Amino acid sequence: DIQMTQSPPVLSASVGDRVTLSCKASQNINKNLDWYQQKHGEAPKLLIYYTNNLQTGIPSRFSGSGSGTDYTLTISSLQPEDVATYYCYQYNSGPNTFGAGTKLELK
Amino acid sequence: EVQLQQSGAELGKPGTSVKLSCKVSGYNIRNTYMHWVNQRPGKGLEWIGRIDPANGNTIYAEKFKSKATLTADTSSNTAYMQLSQLKSDDTAIYFCAMILDYYDGTYYRFAYWGQGTLVTVSS
Repeated sequence: DIQMTQSPPVLSASVGDRVTLSCKASQNINKNLDWYQQKHGEAPKLLIYYTNNLQTGIPSRFSGSGSGTDYTLTISSLQPEDVATYYCYQYNSGPNTFGAGTKLELK
Repeated sequence: EVQLQQSGAELGKPGTSVKLSCKVSGYNIRNTYMHWVNQRPGKGLEWIGRIDPANGNTIYAEKFKSKATLTADTSSNTAYMQLSQLKSDDTAIYFCAMILDYYDGTYYRFAYWGQGTLVTVSS
């Protein structure tokens, strides 16, 4: 199975900060990567699909980039409602896999 | 409107099995894959597997190959997951999800999730 490594596990930032979350795959996943946001007690929500496509209704402060094995989710100006855990998810080949998540907190 | 309605919470004894359901409205499951994901208390998301309801073909994550069995009933537009030989480590919330890819010159991808079913394993 393809392993997805997210970093950092926990990120503390202030409102208005630019925040970058990383996700590294154990092999080339050809941009077949989504980013999900999960708030406590809720089902995950799709934010970004196929590396850099913003899902309908998601604020434009969220963006994604990457290729090969390295991918990034960026929040351009952190808002209080962005406090959540973020997961990358690959669907390139074999069993699909999630990263372990990055928990985003307010400083 | 697409909706996924999962069955209610389950309490299972160690060594027994439970079968969870996920009824879809607003979309024909024959035209997509149905995925199952779990989340142990305080932990991250784990992809369990997916089924193609049109033909019953399944793919499982390695660690769930002897744990989970995915099926689907296209007549009722419902997906199922049976968990066998329950252990305390199987205590988790289990989600079903449907991910749709659509292309009309622009690529769209939609993800619909059930509300989750809590499975508690305890004697």
